[in-house]
Amino acid sequence: GQSLEQPSEVTAVEGAIVQINCTYQTSGFYGLSWYQQHDGGAPTFLSYNALDGLEETGRFSSFLSRSDSYGYLLLQELQMKDSASYFCAVRAEAGNMLTFGGGTRLMVKP
Amino acid sequence: ETGVTQTPRHLVMGMTNKKSLKCEQHLGHNAMYWYKQSAKKPLELMFVYSLEERVENNSVPSRFSPECPNSSHLFLHLHTLQPEDSALYLCASSHTHRDYYEQYFGPGTRLTVT
Repeated sequence: GQSLEQPSEVTAVEGAIVQINCTYQTSGFYGLSWYQQHDGGAPTFLSYNALDGLEETGRFSSFLSRSDSYGYLLLQELQMKDSASYFCAVRAEAGNMLTFGGGTRLMVKP
Repeated sequence: ETGVTQTPRHLVMGMTNKKSLKCEQHLGHNAMYWYKQSAKKPLELMFVYSLEERVENNSVPSRFSPECPNSSHLFLHLHTLQPEDSALYLCASSHTHRDYYEQYFGPGTRLTVT
């Protein structure tokens, strides 16, 4: 079966860098997606990695290592508004749809 | 806003009621999804539609009945629900079914079953 593991909570201070890890077990891997969800809000797509390496989009970067079944989301120059839950997701075994991890709650402190 | 709207935003219903959740996307997408989000659990995919045809039904109880009259609208009809069905119900869309990895979510309907 499939499984995704990510830490349940991470705390960091404003201006710092934080890395949120995601390890996965799945058959037929196609890529790793990341989503952000603020409390009471909708999940928002952040990034998708299909190939190994680092993808940078502003303060956020996402990394994938297919050989290690591992990826991470890197948030730089943390701001208070980055406090949210972050979910990694992979293609489901059943086909073109996503299986989500349990989410990592990031708390940014002043 | 993400271009996906959901109504109502909050719903309280008894176990014998019938209600419907509505989702509308203004992005010109061809695939739409229903998810259930419960506290401390991962997002659970319920239904997938591609060009108004159901692609996947993830073993969802029959008390949940989806309807997709066109590629912009998606409904979830609720009947004889249980208290454990209380959750946030999220609708999402993607450009096509093959772009499943990049989905755009609505704000959700917070459902409470009493």
